Amino acid sequence: SYGLTQPPSVSVPPGQTANITCSGDKLGDRFACWYQQRPGQSPVLVIFQDNKRPSGIPERFSGSNSGNTATLTISGAQALDEADYYCQAWVSSTAVVFGGGTKLTVL
Amino acid sequence: EVQLVESGGGLVQPGGSLRLSCAASRFTFSANWMTWVRQAPGKGLEWVATINQGGNEKYYADSVKGRFTISRDNAKNSLYLEMMSLRAEDTAVFYCARLLDVYVASGGYFDFWGQGTLVAVSS
Repeated sequence: SYGLTQPPSVSVPPGQTANITCSGDKLGDRFACWYQQRPGQSPVLVIFQDNKRPSGIPERFSGSNSGNTATLTISGAQALDEADYYCQAWVSSTAVVFGGGTKLTVL
Repeated sequence: EVQLVESGGGLVQPGGSLRLSCAASRFTFSANWMTWVRQAPGKGLEWVATINQGGNEKYYADSVKGRFTISRDNAKNSLYLEMMSLRAEDTAVFYCARLLDVYVASGGYFDFWGQGTLVAVSS
């Protein structure tokens, strides 16, 4: 079955750029999106259709998707960006898959 | 802003049943696809089921197929998840979410999520 693989954790100093990857077979042939989940809260959409930002999401969040890897980039990471991040894609027209999640630490 | 409020979670014995509800407001519920996603304690997100606007198209994860049923009542702006033959591994927080851009090939995404309701399956 189709799966999405994310690193369990990523650490970045404040103000630096964080890159969180999501790997899947020919992932670049389909759209990827990303969700942020802070502890004890519901997921929040931060990137959809590879690189689009919903209203209210800061410009420091961006996305790309090519080949087998989608990447969420957080430029100038801040302490409030500490959270779990999940990628998501459609396996088929009728099924969705999430990556295992990446815990981002800003310190 | 879109509001989604789940309810109906609780403690249930293995093999038991439970019905979750999601009350939607501040958007045209009948015009949107909806989804259930769950998250086991300390684990990641898992897609559970999706339903179209009219309720005649339903998709399920293999892990719940045949045991869970997604449905909706557009007159009541409500989404439901009927769960039967519950197992310990079904223990999770269940979220309802709105699904947009379904008709963009592989482009669908969940733009708003509820706060979740906890289902615990244990004897």
